[in-house]
Amino acid sequence: GAVVSQHPSWVICKSGTSVKIECRSLDFQATTMFWYRQFPKQSLMLMATSNEGSKATYEQGVEKDKFLINHASLTLSTLTVTSAHPEDSSFYICSAHAAGTAPEQFFGPGTRLTVL
Amino acid sequence: GESVGLHLPTLSVQEGDNSIINCAYSNSASDYFIWYKQESGKGPQFIIDIRSNMDKRQGQRVTVLLNKTVKHLSLQIAATQPGDSAVYFCAENIEGQNFVFGPGTRLSVLP
Repeated sequence: GAVVSQHPSWVICKSGTSVKIECRSLDFQATTMFWYRQFPKQSLMLMATSNEGSKATYEQGVEKDKFLINHASLTLSTLTVTSAHPEDSSFYICSAHAAGTAPEQFFGPGTRLTVL
Repeated sequence: GESVGLHLPTLSVQEGDNSIINCAYSNSASDYFIWYKQESGKGPQFIIDIRSNMDKRQGQRVTVLLNKTVKHLSLQIAATQPGDSAVYFCAENIEGQNFVFGPGTRLSVLP
């Protein structure tokens, strides 16, 4: 149980375009989803916390107008990288947490974004 | 705050030996800790967790030790196998809030 999927797993786009990444909890309802970014050989950095039906909470230094997060249902959160630039190239990972359970987060497999 | 890694420290061990991966966490109020394994190009995978009211927890081939006095966490892997090669992250959690990840350690298992 507790499976989280992400789509796409890898995306290559041109600079200036927008890219949407989906995060789904497949067998549980995720009241909270988290979006992380991971640069090569570095740790995971939390970008934002997304609660179903409410606005996401962004970490300091993360532009909310550039990284649009929507958590429209208990099983789906989306991250849209708007007007992507090469410096946005990174590995984006989501995780999900179900209310009333242990604090453990279940991670998706990640999405590799390459902006040309 | 967030922990930002620079260059990952690397631990190299011979296949069959025991591995010990260390982590210094930042907040004395953290009450829940997890060790994650991350293989190249994949998301983190849960290995073992421990709460702050414990100082040791054992799983299959893995043991986590917690020393709250010095804010130190370690992961011991017994009889290390090639499949254990990965980057290992510790993560600390405070009262169900966000997890803060350590910088990670790359484990390389030598044949």
